[in-house]
Parts: sequence; C-alpha cells; structure tokens
Amino acid sequence: DGGITQSPKYLFRKEGQNVTLSCEQNLNHDAMYWYRQDPGQGLRLIYYSQIVNDFQKGDIAEGYSVSREKKESFPLTVTSAQKNPTAFYLCASSTLGQGVTYGYTFGSGTRLTVV
Amino acid sequence: GQNIDQPTEMTATEGAIVQINCTYQTSGFNGLFWYQQHAGEAPTFLSYNVLDGLEEKGRFSSFLSRSKGYSYLLLKELQMKDSASYLCALFNDYKLSFGAGTTVTVRA
Repeated sequence: DGGITQSPKYLFRKEGQNVTLSCEQNLNHDAMYWYRQDPGQGLRLIYYSQIVNDFQKGDIAEGYSVSREKKESFPLTVTSAQKNPTAFYLCASSTLGQGVTYGYTFGSGTRLTVV
Repeated sequence: GQNIDQPTEMTATEGAIVQINCTYQTSGFNGLFWYQQHAGEAPTFLSYNVLDGLEEKGRFSSFLSRSKGYSYLLLKELQMKDSASYLCALFNDYKLSFGAGTTVTVRA
C-alpha cells in the first residue's frame, strides 16, 4: 500500500544537539511539506518542496534545515539554533496540478522532546 | 498572513448537530479544506470547497462563501468518535495554511 512514513514516532534529544526526522513517501507525490504543531495551536509550515533539489522556507524556518535529493524523501533537521524544538512534527505530501491540490497525505508524526 | 479564525472549543450531545465556523482574511486562495485530528494523531481529510456553496459527504458537510470570507463544517448525527479537533485550512501558492483548530467534545 502507498503511504507516507515518518520515523521515529517519539524522539528524545539533549539540548544543543542536532536531530534529523525522517519522512519517506511512495505515493509518487511531487510536493512534500513539514509542519510543526504545538499544544492548542494549528499547524505551522516550516519548509516545503515542490520538486527534487528545490525547497522553500515556510513561516517558521529559522533553526531548521531540509534536503530533497530524492522525490521520495524529505528529511528535516532540527538544529541547535531552534529555540523551542519540543513539538509534534508532521510531514505531508501532495500531488500538484494547475495550481490546485488534491489534498495532503499526512505521516503519523514525530513527537520530539528536547531535555 | 491569512488570519484564519475558528472557535477554540465546542461541546455537543451525541446525536445532535454542530456547526464549526471559519473566517479568514485573504486576497485570494484556490480552495478551502477541512481536516479532522484526534489527539496525538495526524490530520485526516474531511472536505474541500473550491466554489461557493455546500459540499455534502455523508454526515459531514462544508460550506464556503468567498464574498463573505466564511466557511463552516457541519457535523450531523454526532457520535462519540467525532470528539476531535477540526482544522480549517486555505490552499494558496501550492501550500496549506491552517487555523488553530476547534476542539469538539461530544457528550453522551
């Protein structure tokens, strides 16, 4: 079955360490996205990519980095520069066509806790 | 910004109807989505409006009025499993922007 996989589901890191969250999809979707969700808040866009080897900053890109070397993969690195990294991170993918979307498919999320 | 506003919380009784409103301020967008999110899980797609009017999908319906900057999600015949957060999102410039979500609690 096609889908989008995030790993790990739970991640603990010490303050000051970089950490990379994995996101893989086998849906042949063009676009991939990373969102962050804090308790009681909506999803905020970190980075997105519409094509391999290209990506754009979202609303809260500071302290994060991404790469898109393969269509299937869009890993997110949370760097030590991110002031408040503890959050629920969601990856999503989508097929794009003529300026519309057919909806996001979301991964199951990674809950990152920095201690 | 798109300033997407939703009520924070709503409570309703099993079997009842609940309407979740979403207002926004933006110069233009391609479409409006509604997602359901249970605690600790990923959002799941409920409904999508491109044109003004009502879209019906079983117990869930969504309405859009572009001229009024307004949408609503209507949940009928509420079930306990409908207790969740409901997210309104605008699609524009190849990405979705989300509201903060409305937490709906269904009581027996």
